[in-house]
Amino acid sequence: NAGVTQTPKFRILKIGQSMTLQCTQDMNHNYMYWYRQDPGMGLKLIYYSVGAGITDKGEVPNGYNVSRSTTEDFPLRLELAAPSQTSVYFCASSSLDSADEQFFGPGTRLTVL
Amino acid sequence: GQNIDQPTEMTATEGAIVQINCTYQTSGFNGLFWYQQHAGEAPTFLSYNVLDGLEEKGRFSSFLSRSKGYSYLLLKELQMKDSASYLCAVMDSNYQLIWGAGTKLIIKP
Repeated sequence: NAGVTQTPKFRILKIGQSMTLQCTQDMNHNYMYWYRQDPGMGLKLIYYSVGAGITDKGEVPNGYNVSRSTTEDFPLRLELAAPSQTSVYFCASSSLDSADEQFFGPGTRLTVL
Repeated sequence: GQNIDQPTEMTATEGAIVQINCTYQTSGFNGLFWYQQHAGEAPTFLSYNVLDGLEEKGRFSSFLSRSKGYSYLLLKELQMKDSASYLCAVMDSNYQLIWGAGTKLIIKP
């Protein structure tokens, strides 16, 4: 099993550009999450999904969009990139049980200039 | 508001024991997690506590006191590879994880 995979690993965007961060998991997990991690700060939840076709906002959803058409894939879309979106983005997944650990992808380092 | 507090940085010696504390104030409580994150890498799961008491897993132990809003992670027989950030996270009433900023642990020979 590959676990949770993310692409790209690194990306530099210009202000106003758009991009999609890809996330795929092969563990048949229902729950998937997108976090951002800024230096010296805790992980912040952007969006999450409890199953295909269902998404919901987290703590910091502004400037982002998601979709969940399949159990495996949970892409994150950035529209009109801003310098404040410079961060490391992690995708994670977990099974139905709330006590289960979240498995994280390797992260995408995004810089907006 | 919801808040997770943990020390920013700690230093310990190889072979020694270190305790990393975490205090929390959240809307509801559905468990507390500890994750390890090496520099430039993703977080990986260490432990989960939902009931008061100590959970031991090899060199690592985690303690929880719900009445005090307090947890600690105890690392024994420290090794150089334990140099990492340790993240405390609480699952709130909405079953969402609220994360602390992490404690950077530096191990010296």
